[in-house]
Amino acid sequence: ETGVTQSPTHLIKTRGQQVTLRCSSQSGHNTVSWYQQALGQGPQFIFQYYREEENGRGNFPPRFSGLQFPNYSSELNVNALELDDSALYLCASSARTGVYNEQFFGPGTRLTVL
Amino acid sequence: AQSVTQLDSHVSVSEGTPVLLRCNYSSSYSPSLFWYVQHPNKGLQLLLKYTSAATLVKGINGFEAEFKKSETSFHLTKPSAHMSDAAEYFCVVSPMNYGGSQGNLIFGKGTKLSVKP
Repeated sequence: ETGVTQSPTHLIKTRGQQVTLRCSSQSGHNTVSWYQQALGQGPQFIFQYYREEENGRGNFPPRFSGLQFPNYSSELNVNALELDDSALYLCASSARTGVYNEQFFGPGTRLTVL
Repeated sequence: AQSVTQLDSHVSVSEGTPVLLRCNYSSSYSPSLFWYVQHPNKGLQLLLKYTSAATLVKGINGFEAEFKKSETSFHLTKPSAHMSDAAEYFCVVSPMNYGGSQGNLIFGKGTKLSVKP
C-alpha cells in the first residue's frame, strides 16, 4: 500500500455527462500527477499539479481539467464525456524534495462511459 | 521526444526458469528509466530505477535491469520466476533527469508475464 487513495473505485456515466475523480496524496507529498490507462495500454500522462498550480500537461483536450487543494489532495474533472474516455484513471503523488522523487500510485478509478 | 518500446506484449515462462522482458528506449539526452509492475486490481509499483548511476540496477523481488546506451536498451531480468511474478510490467522513461516527479512518466504498452507451474 502506497498511502495514495482514490475515489470512487468504479464509476459508470453516459456520454455527454461530467465526472469528478478524487485523489488523496501520501502524507508529506506536494505533487500530484494524473494518468489515463485505456484497456490493454500503458498509462498516459494527463497533467501534474504542484502546490495548487498546473505544472505540465500531456496531449489531452481542455475538457480534462484539475484542481489541487491546500492539503495537496486533487480532483480530475472530465466534461462532455466520450466513449473513448472509458479507462482506468490513476493518480500518483510525490514529494519533490531532491534530485529523485519517486511517484507513488493509487489503485485507480475505473470509469465506464456508456 | 522520448519513448519506450516493449518488444513483447506477452511472455510466458515456467516457474523456476529465467525471465527476460525487453525494452528499448529513445531519448535525446540521458534518460531516467524505470520498470513498474501492475498486479490485477492493484496500483503500479516501482520495481527498479536507473538515474545515471550504476548501469546494472537491482530492484525488488530479485529483478534487475541493465542500462545499455549503445543498444538503447533496458531489459528486465530475473534468474528464477515465481508464480507471484505473474503480472503486467511497464518500461518507463522520464524526460527529465529527476526521476519523474518534476516531469511526466512515459510508459510503454506493457508486457504481460504469465508463469506456468
